[in-house]
Amino acid sequence: RKEVEQDPGPFNVPEGATVAFNCTYSNSASQSFFWYRQDCRKEPKLLMSVYSSGNEDGRFTAQLNRASQYISLLIRDSKLSDSATYLCVVNFNKFYFGSGTKLNVKP
Amino acid sequence: NAGVTQTPKFRVLKTGQSMTLLCAQDMNHEYMYWYRQDPGMGLRLIHYSVGEGTTAKGEVPDGYNVSRLKKQNFLLGLESAAPSQTSVYFCASSFFGGGGGHNEQFFGPGTRLTVL
Repeated sequence: RKEVEQDPGPFNVPEGATVAFNCTYSNSASQSFFWYRQDCRKEPKLLMSVYSSGNEDGRFTAQLNRASQYISLLIRDSKLSDSATYLCVVNFNKFYFGSGTKLNVKP
Repeated sequence: NAGVTQTPKFRVLKTGQSMTLLCAQDMNHEYMYWYRQDPGMGLRLIHYSVGEGTTAKGEVPDGYNVSRLKKQNFLLGLESAAPSQTSVYFCASSFFGGGGGHNEQFFGPGTRLTVL
């Protein structure tokens, strides 16, 4: 079983839509959680850390559910520029990366 | 601040050749990492370092060596390149590596390596 699992997608949504991704992790002792964004052939860039109480940054909301061992990312009012692959990252002594969920936002 | 930089950006090698990839960071981070990313796969950790003079193996260390002689630099070496090492290599750094705060990783732009 992989440490971190994500639906690879792609998620194809129209501009203005709300879209949500989930990511499950296997180690219940995991301590830090992140969402990264990766554009085609570019490096991953930190989108946001995920805190226990949930957190929001503009149109992006991240949630952590420790009981069910998953984190989520909600994107409201999708923009064309949100098209990218979103990586879920979990830390338990080491960093474990999901394979990513691809998002395509269409005009 | 330049953040994390990597050289070279692109390289083509023949099987059996050797090369060194250089990663540099100017954020005074303790931890540094080398990953490879292959199409359709997630990032896989090759080697990492928790401080100057220390290195450790990651998930896929075979065929690679690393050195961290200076805090700001982390070198990845391929002694005898093989076609299976064709990949995109990313370097990253973080202030801490454990489960507490300040452990976000920052990535360099990547090196695209092709081994013929």
